[in-house]
Amino acid sequence: EAQVTQNPRYLITVTGKKLTVTCSQNMNHEYMSWYRQDPGLGLRQIYYSMNVEVTDKGDVPEGYKVSRKEKRNFPLILESPSPNQTSLYFCASSLGGADSPLHFGNGTRLTVT
Amino acid sequence: GESVGLHLPTLSVQEGDNSIINCAYSNSASDYFIWYKQESGKGPQFIIDIRSNMDKRQGQRVTVLLNKTVKHLSLQIAATQPGDSAVYFCAESADAGNMLTFGGGTRLMVKP
Repeated sequence: EAQVTQNPRYLITVTGKKLTVTCSQNMNHEYMSWYRQDPGLGLRQIYYSMNVEVTDKGDVPEGYKVSRKEKRNFPLILESPSPNQTSLYFCASSLGGADSPLHFGNGTRLTVT
Repeated sequence: GESVGLHLPTLSVQEGDNSIINCAYSNSASDYFIWYKQESGKGPQFIIDIRSNMDKRQGQRVTVLLNKTVKHLSLQIAATQPGDSAVYFCAESADAGNMLTFGGGTRLMVKP
């Protein structure tokens, strides 16, 4: 089944403790992206990658890192999480280019205390 | 389930009726538009898209209308079913879909 898989689905951590949220897609998609979703603010893009070893900042990149060493994986790294990074995170992928809609994972609910 | 938004605009319709969800976009340079459906506890799911050189596109039970003059997008759902209950987001892009800007969402509630 074609899908975007995120892990974990739920994560509770403390301020300053480094964490990684993994994302993997099995559709051979060139483009991958991370979003956070917050009440009243909607979906906002954190980082995106148009291909292996190519990453770019989205609208809200501060406090996050990503890497794209392989086509299928696009982990989101929080080196020193803070409470304002408590949010619902979505990874997404697409073929890239025109007329290629994003396919989303089922989300990771992160709580930073 | 996951809370996707507090105080979202809500559209309540009777099962079997048609639904129309509206979206105003801001960037006149946007040339690609998408509608997503998000159910509780899940990620947004692609419904239908449209490019700016079109003003209407139809899918299965859904139709998207684009009015570039007033920067307005709408999603019409025919014969709305309980399974259509979800939050619906429009998204726009001026970069062939690579950088999507999402609207705030509308909650559709279908009454049996």
